[in-house]
Amino acid sequence: AQSVTQLGSHVSVSEGALVLLRCNYSSSVPPYLFWYVQYPNQGLQLLLKYTTGATLVKGINGFEAEFKKSETSFHLTKPSAHMSDAAEYFCAVSDTLGYSTLTFGKGTMLLVSP
Amino acid sequence: DVKVTQSSRYLVKRTGEKVFLECVQDMDHENMFWYRQDPGLGLRLIYFSYDVKMKEKGDIPEGYSVSREKKERFSLILESASTNQTSMYLCASSLYRAGNTIYFGEGSWLTVV
Repeated sequence: AQSVTQLGSHVSVSEGALVLLRCNYSSSVPPYLFWYVQYPNQGLQLLLKYTTGATLVKGINGFEAEFKKSETSFHLTKPSAHMSDAAEYFCAVSDTLGYSTLTFGKGTMLLVSP
Repeated sequence: DVKVTQSSRYLVKRTGEKVFLECVQDMDHENMFWYRQDPGLGLRLIYFSYDVKMKEKGDIPEGYSVSREKKERFSLILESASTNQTSMYLCASSLYRAGNTIYFGEGSWLTVV
């Protein structure tokens, strides 16, 4: 069975600071990996995903993530936080075969202060 | 643009009532999903469907059932609502194969009193 661990239920940064949200997965084979963002009272929106190819993946709103197989990690980063980045972020994994069901982490709330 | 529409954003129901949550997608996607979201627990899969009239249990199917009579519509049914089913419910859809983006609706907040 797959699982996802997001380190830190809340992460606080100052505007302009580096954003780092951590995600580690457990899977018998390398999975597909996703980051979603949820703004208050909204559904989830895809930020980026890794399926094949380059292990450094760029997404929307200046975010990127790097798939590191040896560390079973897929950490999300952004060089400079903006107030509008305040939201909840979810890391998710799926099998590479068959259906595309996702297993989600518990989420990390990003707080951005002026 | 991709669109997953959940019929009700906010519902208040009484214990024991039968509750229907409706979801429609306009992208001709094969897969449709119902997730439940609770603070500190993330999203948990209740049921999914990969074709009309087909359904598979997710991680927490107890107390729920689903119906998919048409490709674009996927309904979640709470046969007898209980207070521990108070939660945010998210519908989603995707193309069949793993790795395809899963698109989410805006969610339905259900309160059972």
